[in-house]
Amino acid sequence: EVFLVESGGGLGQPGGSLRLSCAASGFTFRSYAVSWVRQSPGKGLEWVSTISGSGDSIYYADSVKGRLTISRDNSKNTVYLQMNSLSADDSALYYCAKGRRAWLSDFDSWGHGTLVTVSS
Amino acid sequence: QSALTQPASVSGSPGQSVTISCTGTSNDVGAYNYVSWYQYHPGKAPKSMIYDVNNRSPGVSNRFSGSKSGNTASLTISGLQAEDEADYYCSSYTASTTWVFGGGTKLTVL
Repeated sequence: EVFLVESGGGLGQPGGSLRLSCAASGFTFRSYAVSWVRQSPGKGLEWVSTISGSGDSIYYADSVKGRLTISRDNSKNTVYLQMNSLSADDSALYYCAKGRRAWLSDFDSWGHGTLVTVSS
Repeated sequence: QSALTQPASVSGSPGQSVTISCTGTSNDVGAYNYVSWYQYHPGKAPKSMIYDVNNRSPGVSNRFSGSKSGNTASLTISGLQAEDEADYYCSSYTASTTWVFGGGTKLTVL
């Protein structure tokens, strides 16, 4: 069974940084893309970023480009989201989602999310 | 990248069928067969229902089906059950090598 467990959320200062982690188990981690998707209070789901299974291909939503960085450590079965220059718009429940393929994939399994609140 | 357009809400009685539309553009829904649908209860893990337009995810009831025509994709739920009440989101790959979600549709089972 696939498990995805997000951590690292919490209270962040405007302009500050947070690092989210997504620990995965139950599948051959390096063979699948992983994405971050967020839901802001009262809003819908928003795709944030995707990293391919090998880590060679990475894409970001325009709203986070240059501020958020996705990475993965296939030896630790973990994906990270480094969040810099935080703003109130980044406040959301952040989900980690496994792809169905190594790249160009929808999101077939999801974690339960980690909550990020940006406030002074 | 603008969100895909979904109706804010739909409703139906138990046993009836409902269809949720998801309208995009020739740069996303119309260009690729990478349309997927998710069932979502706020604060919980979303659940994949349909992928690649019309493929059911493992374990999903055959009461759920997906289709696409032009720039509009659709999710049809037949034989509505109380447990189907949830928010539903569509998603598509885009020509900008990004993914975009719809605004979400709240399904109420009357």
